[in-house]
Amino acid sequence: DGGITQSPKYLFRKEGQNVTLSCEQNLNHDAMYWYRQDPGQGLRLIYYSQIVNDFQKGDIAEGYSVSREKKESFPLTVTSAQKNPTAFYLCASSFYNQPQHFGDGTRLSIL
Amino acid sequence: AQTVTQSQPEMSVQEAETVTLSCTYDTSESDYYLFWYKQPPSRQMILVIRQEAYKQQNATENRFSVNFQKAAKSFSLKISDSQLGDAAMYFCAYWAPNDYKLSFGAGTTVTVRA
Repeated sequence: DGGITQSPKYLFRKEGQNVTLSCEQNLNHDAMYWYRQDPGQGLRLIYYSQIVNDFQKGDIAEGYSVSREKKESFPLTVTSAQKNPTAFYLCASSFYNQPQHFGDGTRLSIL
Repeated sequence: AQTVTQSQPEMSVQEAETVTLSCTYDTSESDYYLFWYKQPPSRQMILVIRQEAYKQQNATENRFSVNFQKAAKSFSLKISDSQLGDAAMYFCAYWAPNDYKLSFGAGTTVTVRA
């Protein structure tokens, strides 16, 4: 089945540690996105990528980094510079001007 | 950045009744798309309905329909014959080719009373 796979489902980070969230899609979508969702709130864009080897900052990119070495993959690293990383992270992908398809999300918590 | 406003944090509806969720947006673009997404407790984001700005006809998907008022920049969602499975958070979202990112409203939590 085609879709977007995010892993892990739950992730815990220690102080000063970088963690990487995985996002893989087999929908042949060109664009991929990372969103952060805080409790009871909407989604805020962290980074997005329209093509391989290119990506742009979203509204809240500070403390995060991404790479897009393959069309299918768009991993997000939450660095130690992100002081409040506890949130629900959603990855999405789409064709140009088509609705975004979302993964099931990763919940990140601080130990 | 585009602004999407959902002014109703919570809405409650009796099963089999109708509920309407409000959404307004701000844009200077003429070409854009509007969406309603549903997020149940599982946290999955599910596309409910989509509207292209150039289309005058309001989109409909089974029990879900929209009232798209382009001049007023309003995009409300009507859920008819509400079912218990409709209980979720609903997000209005905006996308424009020039912007390439989806802007979300803060969401409306819908509760369905049996």
